[in-house]
Amino acid sequence: AQSVAQPEDQVNVAEGNPLTVKCTYSVSGNPYLFWYVQYPNRGLQFLLKYITGDNLVKGSYGFEAEFNKSQTSFHLKKPSALVSDSALYFCAVRDVGDRNNDMRFGAGTRLTVKP
Amino acid sequence: NAGVTQTPKFRILKIGQSMTLQCAQDMNHNYMYWYRQDPGMGLKLIYYSVGAGITDKGEVPNGYNVSRSTTEDFPLRLELAAPSQTSVYFCASTRTGVSNTEAFFGQGTRLTVV
Repeated sequence: AQSVAQPEDQVNVAEGNPLTVKCTYSVSGNPYLFWYVQYPNRGLQFLLKYITGDNLVKGSYGFEAEFNKSQTSFHLKKPSALVSDSALYFCAVRDVGDRNNDMRFGAGTRLTVKP
Repeated sequence: NAGVTQTPKFRILKIGQSMTLQCAQDMNHNYMYWYRQDPGMGLKLIYYSVGAGITDKGEVPNGYNVSRSTTEDFPLRLELAAPSQTSVYFCASTRTGVSNTEAFFGQGTRLTVV
């Protein structure tokens, strides 16, 4: 079965600095990869996804992620962090060949951007 | 657009009580899901449905039941509440079963069992 690891529970950055939230995955076949963001007392919101093609994926709010097949990683990045980016971020993976349509989530990384 | 709507937002149950968490979507999505979110554990899939009349177990189905009589609604039933079911529950839907489709989530139901 597919799985996702987010090695950092917490990431702290200063406003204006670049940010990276790490994600590694494991699938038996090829992956579909997603990033979601969760603000307090809200459901998860889709940020971006990798399906196929260009390894650098651009998404909402200036976020991007780079798919690295050899390192089985899909790190989320932003060139210049905003205080409003502070939230809980989840990486998720689906196996392309999975008929059960199951999406596995990481444990989440709490991003705090300080002014 | 309402998207995915969950009710109630909060609930406290006593051990052994039962309740139904409601989920409705207005996007005509065939696929719907129930997840629970425990601190530091990410989201775990409880049940999912690929269309009206069809449901299947996810990763952590024990203690829960679901039904899908219409495309719009996917209620989750807890028959005998236990403290281990204290969690935040999220309902989600996807346009199709194609694996590359992103999910739309409700705002969640925070359940405490005491």
